[in-house]
Amino acid sequence: GENVEQHPSTLSVQEGDSAVIKCTYSDSASNYFPWYKQELGKGPQLIIDIRSNVGEKKDQRIAVTLNKTAKHFSLHITETQPEDSAVYFCAASLTGGGNKLTFGTGTQLKVEL
Amino acid sequence: GAVVSQHPSWVICKSGTSVKIECRSLDFQATTMFWYRQFPKQSLMLMATSNEGSKATYEQGVEKDKFLINHASLTLSTLTVTSAHPEDSSFYICSVLGASGSPSGSQYFGPGTRLLVL
Repeated sequence: GENVEQHPSTLSVQEGDSAVIKCTYSDSASNYFPWYKQELGKGPQLIIDIRSNVGEKKDQRIAVTLNKTAKHFSLHITETQPEDSAVYFCAASLTGGGNKLTFGTGTQLKVEL
Repeated sequence: GAVVSQHPSWVICKSGTSVKIECRSLDFQATTMFWYRQFPKQSLMLMATSNEGSKATYEQGVEKDKFLINHASLTLSTLTVTSAHPEDSSFYICSVLGASGSPSGSQYFGPGTRLLVL
């Protein structure tokens, strides 16, 4: 089955700096890669996703890149703000093949003033 | 995306009792829902896939007789933890697959239910 690794496990940045979180996946058939933000005590919130036919996607301060050959994808947050502090999870799935998400282990992002 | 609710948001029960958790898709008819469990400081682990009108598909290692799932309508799936024990204490989260206007494969999560078994 699919295995997703995520790094780093914790990340501390100064407000205004950029943050990058990286994930690798094992199943070359996976074609859908979402990123979730989870605040303490809440359910995960979908913040951006990318499909295997696209190499990069951007939504305001958030961007995701995908390298299918290397089987890795990354989340980039620019101009970080304190409200970006949360746990971020990457995931991978095969749409149409059960659509089951395999999650990474999570990254605790702390944006310091 | 889809708007998903869960009830209750938290529950405390005695060991040996059963607890039912509801997951509702408020603005979308969900053919497929998922149930996850998350222990403190850990990732989400898929427990089962719930399909409307049919039996749930459980992941390896998840006891189907202990975690009963019913998806009787396109807006409601329920998870019943039977004969709960302290080791079942966890954060249970449901998700809805897809939503009107969203590409297939996207999952939208509920706010979660915190279960504490004493």
